[in-house]
Amino acid sequence: DTAVSQTPKYLVTQMGNDKSIKCEQNLGHDTMYWYKQDSKKFLKIMFSYNNKELIINETVPNRFSPKSPDKAHLNLHINSLELGDSAVYFCASSQGADSDTQYFGPGTRLTVL
Amino acid sequence: DQQVKQNSPSLSVQEGRISILNCDYTNSMFDYFLWYKKYPAEGPTFLISISSIKDKNEDGRFTVFLNKSAKHLSLHIVPSQPGDSAVYFCAANSLTGANNLFFGTGTRLTVIP
Repeated sequence: DTAVSQTPKYLVTQMGNDKSIKCEQNLGHDTMYWYKQDSKKFLKIMFSYNNKELIINETVPNRFSPKSPDKAHLNLHINSLELGDSAVYFCASSQGADSDTQYFGPGTRLTVL
Repeated sequence: DQQVKQNSPSLSVQEGRISILNCDYTNSMFDYFLWYKKYPAEGPTFLISISSIKDKNEDGRFTVFLNKSAKHLSLHIVPSQPGDSAVYFCAANSLTGANNLFFGTGTRLTVIP
């Protein structure tokens, strides 16, 4: 029974396209996150979302936008994809904004051609 | 600016021996530290954590040591088992700030049977 799931697992697309990655957690957690792992294996926070409050890492381009239809979902929309967006994207969740243990999804490998 | 660093990209250890993974950080505001384990094609899995009020936390074969003055922490695995072979990420955050984890780049541990 997967706690944090992401779809798709792999995504290959052309530059300039718009794509979405879905994330769902069945842990009843209040806070969800998106991380990007780049080619150097560096895991970096992109967004955290808690009770309708969005905290954005200021280095994230505004082409990236998280959308939360409900507490169990935080989807990542990416507009006008660029080559540099190629990476593995991880979704995570935690019990609350003050909880330090985050549970990660399996990741989505995005390749932009 | 990488605030959490793991300077050893890889480590090989014989089964049954001790594995020691190291992590350094630069931000003195960090007061909570975590280790995550990651298998290929899976998301990071929480392993063990320590708060800055402690200098040691033990959970079974896993022990994390924190040296605040040196801004250094280490993960000890004793005895090492082949199933421990994975990439280990050190992460840190500040309990007083947003719950954003800052990750190191990981150390790939290989336990040789």
